[in-house]
This record gives sequence, structure tokens and C-alpha cells, in this order.
Amino acid sequence: LAKTTQPISMDSYEGQEVNITCSHNNIATNDYITWYQQFPSQGPRFIIQGYKTKVTNEVASLFIPADRKSSTLSLPRVSLSDTAVYYCLVVTNNAGNMLTFGGGTRLMVKP
Amino acid sequence: EAQVTQNPRYLITVTGKKLTVTCSQNMNHEYMSWYRQDPGLGLRQIYYSMNVEVTDKGDVPEGYKVSRKEKRNFPLILESPSPNQTSLYFCASSPYSGGANYNEQFFGPGTRLTVL
Repeated sequence: LAKTTQPISMDSYEGQEVNITCSHNNIATNDYITWYQQFPSQGPRFIIQGYKTKVTNEVASLFIPADRKSSTLSLPRVSLSDTAVYYCLVVTNNAGNMLTFGGGTRLMVKP
Repeated sequence: EAQVTQNPRYLITVTGKKLTVTCSQNMNHEYMSWYRQDPGLGLRQIYYSMNVEVTDKGDVPEGYKVSRKEKRNFPLILESPSPNQTSLYFCASSPYSGGANYNEQFFGPGTRLTVL
């Protein structure tokens, strides 16, 4: 399974755009990049998934360069309620849908 | 409402006393899984099931059992709990397709277990 590296923590202010970068140098051809969000004492929640280029949904955007060795989760105009831990995962579909969570990035949004 | 439910949400027990944590989903998902979350170790998969009567070990299966007799239920069984199984447990499900696309997993609210 490809290992991911992301910053341990980040601070931001309400209304700012937040970009969290994740590196996954050993990503394989059939791997997908997936991001989850987790609030304290709650289960992780799926945010976005991509394979290459750019993916956007109502919550976030995911940018993946051509070599796929990194990815950037972009949260537009964050609010206090976006304070959470964000996990970058590389998922291989034939690995039993196993999710390997690293330490994540603890995002603190300040007023 | 589509959801994954777990019971109990909180449990304090003693070493060696068998316990079961139930997990149920109402989304007709084929895939279900159990994770434990510990400080500094992140979430680790215990067992997973791709369909009824099909289960397999995850990263940390020792000390746990599971069964999948019905599609909607996936109980986690601790036959003889020990203090090192004190943790926050999450059940998850997804509509596993077996194809090329990864399916998002839906997590339950968690069960906080303390083994004394």
C-alpha cells in the first residue's frame, strides 16, 4: 500500500482558502487518491476522490498532477466548522477495500 | 435515513468478559469493515467482509472475531477482552462493486470501549 505524507497540523482563518498537500511517491497505476474528514469522537467522512487532474464537488477540490506523486485538497472559504482532521489515503481497489489511515492533518480554523 | 449504527456507544468492562459490539447498515451495502482508532496510531482495520458469509482479516485481527450472517449486520466479538483492546471502534460499510472504481466508505458513530 502506498504510504502518504501530509503536514501534521495547519492553522487558518475563517473565509480563507486552505490547501493541504499530500505526497504519495509510491502510488500504483490502479490506486485512487481519497480524502476523509474526521471530527472529534465521530467516524471519518468521505470528502472527495480522484485519479488524476482535477476533481471538484460541493465541498472541496482535489488537484492531482500528471505524475500523481502528490495531491492537494483545497477547501474554499473555510469556516469554524471545518476544524477537523483531514486524512489523505491512497486506495487500491483490489486490496479488500482496505483503508490505511495515516496521522492526518489537524486543521484549526480561527475566527 | 441512510446510516451505519453501532451499539453500544460506550462500554466499560473487565478483562476476560466476552462482549459483542453490534453494527448495522440500512443501505444494502455488500462491504462492511471494523476499525480501531488509537492515539498516535490512527485508524487500523480489524476485519472486513465483502458479502454474507465472506470475512477476512485486516491489519490487526488478533483477539477479535466477526460474523456476517446477514447483509445488514456485522458484529464484532471480543471473546476474552484485554486492556490493550481499550480503544475507539468504528464500523463502516460501502457498496463494494468489485470493479475498478473505489467506493466511499460510510462510518458509524463509534464505540468507545474500556477494558479494565
